[in-house]
Amino acid sequence: AQSVSQHNHHVILSEAASLELGCNYSYGGTVNLFWYVQYPGQHLQLLLKYFSGDPLVKGIKGFEAEFIKSKFSFNLRKPSVQWSDTAEYFCAAYSGAGSYQLTFGKGTKLSVIP
Amino acid sequence: SQTIHQWPATLVQPVGSPLSLECTVEGTSNPNLYWYRQAAGRGLQLLFYSVGIGQISSEVPQNLSASRPQDRQFILSSKKLLLSDSGFYLCAWMQGYYGYTFGSGTRLTVV
Repeated sequence: AQSVSQHNHHVILSEAASLELGCNYSYGGTVNLFWYVQYPGQHLQLLLKYFSGDPLVKGIKGFEAEFIKSKFSFNLRKPSVQWSDTAEYFCAAYSGAGSYQLTFGKGTKLSVIP
Repeated sequence: SQTIHQWPATLVQPVGSPLSLECTVEGTSNPNLYWYRQAAGRGLQLLFYSVGIGQISSEVPQNLSASRPQDRQFILSSKKLLLSDSGFYLCAWMQGYYGYTFGSGTRLTVV
């Protein structure tokens, strides 16, 4: 079965620390990958996506993610976090065309301490 | 412009009462539409999706149903709510290359 797993449930960092959130997927064939962010009290927003091409994807607010096919991973990174990055982050994937059903990971809550 | 509307934002309903949550999309035609439920610590679970009017696919057996009476309208319903139906419900539509766009969600509390 297709699945997306996120390694960390809750990550606590100080401002200016570097961030890496893990995401692994189990799909055969072509896969499209996404990171979404949900700030407190707000709706889900797309951070970045990977469809094809350069495996290093840059998104909004200084986030980036690297698609490593051999490791089935799509980890999210940011070199220096800010208090405003406090949010919940979801990795998601779908494979192929048709219904485009996204499968989400369980999410990682990030708390940034000023 | 393309937007998605979802209401109500919050809802408190007694056990055994019916439910109707509505989602509408503007600025597009024949969108793929989705209902997700988000529970704390469990991520987002796909409940239903629809690729066209009257076409509903269910992903998880449950106390809920969905309907798509119009091209840009997607409704989540229940005849009798259970306590376990409490959660945060999100409607979304597929924007092709841009991925999903989510509505603002409905916080449902069954008491």
